[in-house]
Amino acid sequence: EAAVTQSPRNKVTVTGGNVTLSCRQTNSHNYMYWYRQDTGHGLRLIHYSYGAGNLQIGDVPDGYKATRTTQEDFFLLLELASPSQTSLYFCASSEVNNQAPLFGEGTRLSVL
Amino acid sequence: QQQVRQSSQSLTVWEGETAILNCSYENSAFDYFPWYQQFPGEGPALLIAIRSVSDKKEDGRFTIFFNKREKNLSLHIKDSQPGDSATYFCAASAGGNYKPTFGKGTSLVVHP
Repeated sequence: EAAVTQSPRNKVTVTGGNVTLSCRQTNSHNYMYWYRQDTGHGLRLIHYSYGAGNLQIGDVPDGYKATRTTQEDFFLLLELASPSQTSLYFCASSEVNNQAPLFGEGTRLSVL
Repeated sequence: QQQVRQSSQSLTVWEGETAILNCSYENSAFDYFPWYQQFPGEGPALLIAIRSVSDKKEDGRFTIFFNKREKNLSLHIKDSQPGDSATYFCAASAGGNYKPTFGKGTSLVVHP
């Protein structure tokens, strides 16, 4: 069964802290995405990738880095977390970029 | 500039009515339009999708009506049930370098 698994599911950190959100997909999909979801803003694309070692800039990339280490694994890095990055983060994957992404369950991040 | 716009932030209907959720887009290159359903605490899940070569897509109680000339589409939920209460996202994508772009979502409440 197609799956996108995110970890951790919840994370609390302090301003200036270092956070890594992990995502693994077992669908053999080429594309992987990181979105953040905020009330009033919907889903906004942070970074995405179309294969191991590839990284593309999304619409709200400031303050975020990402790395795609393998076909399956995509990480989102917040090196100096700020309260404005408190949000619900979703990872998603798709075979091609013109196909509906399959979403994970989300990671709720709080930056105090 | 918001490329995908959902006209209502919220919508309330009674059980048994048809809920109509509207969406419009700006980029004429978009050719694939998925709708997602999201329940609290879960990731968005693909509900139904349409490609721009079609003007209608039906799946059970859910129907997408698509107007390419006007660059808008709508999701009709026939015989709405309280279990349909959720947030619905319209999205758009295209081949090439186009990233999947989401609207801000419409929160649907179906009263029994």
